[in-house]
Amino acid sequence: AQSVTQPDIHITVSEGASLELRCNYSYGATPYLFWYVQSPGQGLQLLLKYFSGDTLVQGIKGFEAEFKRSQSSFNLRKPSVHWSDAAEYFCAVGSGTGGFKTIFGAGTRLFVKA
Amino acid sequence: DADVTQTPRNRITKTGKRIMLECSQTKGHDRMYWYRQDPGLGLRLIYYSFDVKDINKGEISDGYSVSRQAQAKFSLSLESAIPNQTALYFCATSAPGLGSYNEQFFGPGTRLTVL
Repeated sequence: AQSVTQPDIHITVSEGASLELRCNYSYGATPYLFWYVQSPGQGLQLLLKYFSGDTLVQGIKGFEAEFKRSQSSFNLRKPSVHWSDAAEYFCAVGSGTGGFKTIFGAGTRLFVKA
Repeated sequence: DADVTQTPRNRITKTGKRIMLECSQTKGHDRMYWYRQDPGLGLRLIYYSFDVKDINKGEISDGYSVSRQAQAKFSLSLESAIPNQTALYFCATSAPGLGSYNEQFFGPGTRLTVL
């Protein structure tokens, strides 16, 4: 069965420091991968997505993610974190030949300290 | 104006009460979804609809029902609310895209508390 694992429940980084949020997926075929961000009191917003092609994907707000098939990973990165990046981040995989199904990870909450 | 709206934004109700959560969208998307979010569990799919005549159960549909009144409206009902249905509920929409795997657009959520 398809699944998404985000190993870190929460992460704290200093403003200006680099960030990497981990995501591992389990899926038998080529996955369709997403990262969403949820700011406090808000719905989820898409940061970036990977369908095919270049394995390094650029997203909004300065985020990027790299698809590594050999490691079944799709980690999210940002070179310099801003206080406004404090939020919860969800990795998701789209699957289901002939249909549609999105599996979300449990989320990683990011705290940014001054 | 928001593309996906949900009403109410917050609701407190009692065990056994019937409650309806409403979702409207102006994006013109055919596909609509209802999720619930619980701490540590991420989002879980309750129901989804690919068009007005197509309703499908998600992974946690027990205790819930839905109605797709129009392309733009998708309502979620709890016929007899119970405390473990206390959660944050999200509506989302999407349009068919390449391979049918595509971005979802989320509403702001409804926080439901069942006492």
